[in-house]
Amino acid sequence: EPEVTQTPSHQVTQMGQEVILRCVPISNHLYFYWYRQILGQKVEFLVSFYNNEISEKSEIFDDQFSVERPDGSNFTLKIRSTKLEDSAMYFCASRAADTGELFFGEGSRLTVL
Amino acid sequence: DQQVKQNSPSLSVQEGRISILNCDYTNSMFDYFLWYKKYPAEGPTFLISISSIKDKNEDGRFTVFLNKSAKHLSLHIVPSQPGDSAVYFCAASEATSGSRLTFGEGTQLTVNP
Repeated sequence: EPEVTQTPSHQVTQMGQEVILRCVPISNHLYFYWYRQILGQKVEFLVSFYNNEISEKSEIFDDQFSVERPDGSNFTLKIRSTKLEDSAMYFCASRAADTGELFFGEGSRLTVL
Repeated sequence: DQQVKQNSPSLSVQEGRISILNCDYTNSMFDYFLWYKKYPAEGPTFLISISSIKDKNEDGRFTVFLNKSAKHLSLHIVPSQPGDSAVYFCAASEATSGSRLTFGEGTQLTVNP
């Protein structure tokens, strides 16, 4: 069964460093998303991406965050200068054009020290 | 942001019995609702969805009920199995924002053998 894959599964970084989280969405999906879950909190929407541009972003997705689809398969989330409060599980998701269901990857755990 | 709320952080049931997980929402613009299951260290897995034009959707052991006037939905699992033990998230979206999902806090379901 097709699945969303994410790398790395866990990244530890120092505060102020740049981090790139990578995702390979399901191949025939057209809509891409990043969500995050801080330990003990809700899963929160960060950004949605369609047709090579951001279609919506939350208040969490500030200037320190960016997304890119550098080629036909990868979808990346970059955090330019990480803060302690960026420590969370980051989930990539994708969706086909004709459904409302998002399919999530297994997540990338980011730990900022 | 309390637009989607799951008031029960945990639920414990016996194998073979019915599990009922509840979810309330406040945003009357929500018109599509989903349930996801999540195991530790994995991403959310889509279970079942319902559009606001329906009041019930069934898929095998899983049935979702929607009461629009009460802004309430529930997930019934019958019969419950030990493998159903996981965190269950309710999520909702508005047609106008595509499939940006707003999640509830989750309910930890434990099915005892």
